[in-house]
Amino acid sequence: DVKVTQSSRYLVKRTGEKVFLECVQDMDHENMFWYRQDPGLGLRLIYFSYDVKMKEKGDIPEGYSVSREKKERFSLILESASTNQTSMYLCASSSILGRVGSYEQYFGPGTRLTVT
Amino acid sequence: GESVGLHLPTLSVQEGDNSIINCAYSNSASDYFIWYKQESGKGPQFIIDIRSNMDKRQGQRVTVLLNKTVKHLSLQIAATQPGDSAVYFCPPCSSNTGKLIFGQGTTLQVKP
Repeated sequence: DVKVTQSSRYLVKRTGEKVFLECVQDMDHENMFWYRQDPGLGLRLIYFSYDVKMKEKGDIPEGYSVSREKKERFSLILESASTNQTSMYLCASSSILGRVGSYEQYFGPGTRLTVT
Repeated sequence: GESVGLHLPTLSVQEGDNSIINCAYSNSASDYFIWYKQESGKGPQFIIDIRSNMDKRQGQRVTVLLNKTVKHLSLQIAATQPGDSAVYFCPPCSSNTGKLIFGQGTTLQVKP
C-alpha cells in the first residue's frame, strides 16, 4: 500500500518561529510537491522537487524554503512564521514523468498549521 | 498560463441519483487529466484519469468524458452514495513538468 506521511496532523506555532514540516514517501518516487490549501483558493503549489537536492519554485514560494537531502523526504521550512501562513499544508509525490504512464500524485493527510 | 475552473462550487444531489461534475480548462496543450476526490480532513485521492487521445473512460461507478473541442471534461458518478460527499478537483497536468494545476473544486453534497 503506497504511503505519503506527514510529520504532524496539527501544529500551533507563534509568529516569528521557524517551522519545519516533514514529508516522507515510501514509493521511491522522484517527484515531490508541497501545496497549501485555503478556503476559496483551492490547492496552490509552493515548491516541488524532481530529485535529491533539486528544487523548483511553485506559484507561491515567498516566505518558504524546502530541503530534499534524501529521495524519500521533502521538508518545507517557514523561516519566520507569520499569521498569513496559517493553512492546511499538503505534501504529494509522483513517479518520473511517463515511466509508469501516469502523472498521478499521491497525497499525504495534510498538516493543519495555525500561527498565532 | 494554464487555468482550470469548475462550473459550480457546490452540487447537491439525492442519494441514488446520478451526479455530473463539470470542469473547463484553458490550455489546449494539456494532454492528461486526473479527477481527485478530497474528503473532509484528508488529502486528495485519485479517482480516474484520462489522456487527451481519449474521449471517454470508465471506472467503477464513474465515467469521465473529455471534449477537447470545447476544452471541457465531466465526471459522472452513478447511483451517488453518501460516501461520495467530498470536494472534487480536475487538475490538468503539464506534461513537461508533471505539475497539476488545481482550481477551487466542486463540493458534492449527497442528501439522504
